[in-house]
Amino acid sequence: NAGVTQTPKFRILKIGQSMTLQCTQDMNHNYMYWYRQDPGMGLKLIYYSVGAGITDKGEVPNGYNVSRSTTEDFPLRLELAAPSQTSVYFCASILDRGLYEQYFGPGTRLTVT
Amino acid sequence: GENVEQHPSTLSVQEGDSAVIKCTYSDSASNYFPWYKQELGKRPQLIIDIRSNVGEKKDQRIAVTLNKTAKHFSLHITETQPEDSAVYFCAASNDYKLSFGAGTTVTVRA
Repeated sequence: NAGVTQTPKFRILKIGQSMTLQCTQDMNHNYMYWYRQDPGMGLKLIYYSVGAGITDKGEVPNGYNVSRSTTEDFPLRLELAAPSQTSVYFCASILDRGLYEQYFGPGTRLTVT
Repeated sequence: GENVEQHPSTLSVQEGDSAVIKCTYSDSASNYFPWYKQELGKRPQLIIDIRSNVGEKKDQRIAVTLNKTAKHFSLHITETQPEDSAVYFCAASNDYKLSFGAGTTVTVRA
């Protein structure tokens, strides 16, 4: 199993541009998450999904959108990039509620200038 | 929502000494408390976790204690080694969403 994979690893965006961060897991996990980690800070939950077709907002959803059309994929969309979205983005997954260990992807480092 | 506070933010210890990191949480319904280690440029890795029906758990040089009444839990690393240098995060969950502390940067001095 590859586990949780993310692409790209690095990206530089100009203000106002859009992009999609990709996340894929091959463990047949039902629950998937997107976090952002700002320098020297913990992880903040952006969006999460409890299964295909179901998504919900986390703590910091403004400026982002998600979709979950399949169990494997959970892309994160930035529509109008702003400097405040400069961060490292981590995708994570768990098999099901009650099975708590979150498996993290390697992260995407995004800079908006 | 859940609020997790973590102290200290930085910790420097001599190799071989112990390190202790403390966290408090606000939601009394939280029942799962993991600790993650994150090396520079890497993803967080689970190092130990504890559930609310257990007061203490140990895995070699790492131990975690939980006080549900006081709503706090702690990470203890004994006989620290240079490879223990990293950022450590505590987290709390009452179902399937984790709330993270801000992290502790641990530096082990040789």
